[in-house]
Amino acid sequence: QSVLTQPPSASGTPGQRVTISCSGSNSNIGTDYVYWYQQLPGTAPKLLIYRNNQRPSGVPDRFSGSKSGTSASLAISGLRSEDEADYYCATWDDRLSGPCWVFGGGTKLTVL
Amino acid sequence: EVQLVESGGVVIQPGGSLRLSCAASGFTFEHYGMHWVRQAPGKSLEWVSLITWDSGSTYYADSVKGRFTISRDNSKNSLYLQMNSLRPEDTALYYCAKDIGRKGDYLDLWGRGTLVTVSS
Repeated sequence: QSVLTQPPSASGTPGQRVTISCSGSNSNIGTDYVYWYQQLPGTAPKLLIYRNNQRPSGVPDRFSGSKSGTSASLAISGLRSEDEADYYCATWDDRLSGPCWVFGGGTKLTVL
Repeated sequence: EVQLVESGGVVIQPGGSLRLSCAASGFTFEHYGMHWVRQAPGKSLEWVSLITWDSGSTYYADSVKGRFTISRDNSKNSLYLQMNSLRPEDTALYYCAKDIGRKGDYLDLWGRGTLVTVSS
């Protein structure tokens, strides 16, 4: 059971806009930035969005992130077949035992 | 080229010990915190541990606390994970990941992983 809750799947057709949600609590998303990672089949995760809505160099502006309260979202516009991947949200969770980086359960995006 | 290369993954019996290594290149290793993250087959990502740039602080997931030890050798540009009392649920692909900061900010670069299988 992941600390951050994501829908297990999402889908869209080429050119569509899809959004993936990530729900947390006051001890994680509510008090820290949210990050998004893309994991293409058979590869390592890649940073997609940092500090809620910033894109690393090389990430297309079709990808955007947002955060409100204890929830966050990743939006992908102009969907392309190469966007088919697993997407994970992540952040720090403030625990009594010390900081802990936590991931969502992941959302498998299918491009129909 | 910035690169992280993990090694040391094997098939090992429950209760056994194993040390994973991660060789870093293409960046000033001693300036950054480093993480281990694992992914069980077909499952989500699970953060395992963080070590700060100077080894001054280490942090662990509750699931591995007391069994795993993270360490680094900045003179060798290397990160390690000593894994003791291994359990079948530790079976996973173990990734080494670089932090953007010295003490834990966010993970910005990942290796390709090394597979650990705990089975009798």
